[in-house]
Amino acid sequence: IAGITQAPTSQILAAGRRMTLRCTQDMRHNAMYWYRQDLGLGLRLIHYSNTAGTTGKGEVPDGYSVSRANTDDFPLTLASAVPSQTSVYFCASSPGTSGSSYNEQFFGPGTRLTVL
Amino acid sequence: GQNIDQPTEMTATEGAIVQINCTYQTSGFNGLFWYQQHAGEAPTFLSYNVLDGLEEKGRFSSFLSRSKGYSYLLLKELQMKDSASYLCAVLDSNYQLIWGAGTKLIIKP
Repeated sequence: IAGITQAPTSQILAAGRRMTLRCTQDMRHNAMYWYRQDLGLGLRLIHYSNTAGTTGKGEVPDGYSVSRANTDDFPLTLASAVPSQTSVYFCASSPGTSGSSYNEQFFGPGTRLTVL
Repeated sequence: GQNIDQPTEMTATEGAIVQINCTYQTSGFNGLFWYQQHAGEAPTFLSYNVLDGLEEKGRFSSFLSRSKGYSYLLLKELQMKDSASYLCAVLDSNYQLIWGAGTKLIIKP
């Protein structure tokens, strides 16, 4: 039982390149999230999905896109990477939708992305 | 705007007790979470409070005062493995988690 997996573990990317970060969960959770974590800042929500087929914008969505074709997968795409997108990216999932009060989020191991 | 404040760093001694405070100003409140994050790893859930009072779970306890916009995480009988960052997060009126920057806890022998 893997929980949440992310790929790749780390990546160095040239500015302007397109990159997709993969996230898969096997817990049949409804909601999934993408965060970025930068030194000295809290986790910041990029995009979220309450259920398969729906997505929403978080606090810092610019430059990123997501899709939720099925329950398990929630890829994050950087269309044209810029150095300010250098960060650690965490995918998370929770059992309920974001409308649930108790909604513990389970995190993947993260992807460390460097854009040069 | 929405704001969550935690101390940046704290130091404590093995075997002692430490209290990590969190104050928040958010648009609405639907619960407060504490997560632990070891360096280079993902955050893991520690506690959830939605009503005022103290929730105890082994060596860890979490307290909430909604009227004061205040919570704390209490760690007892500190162990070296408790060296980590502790993240406070509030579920706002839109049921989105707003995260503090985290408190790095350093445990010394």
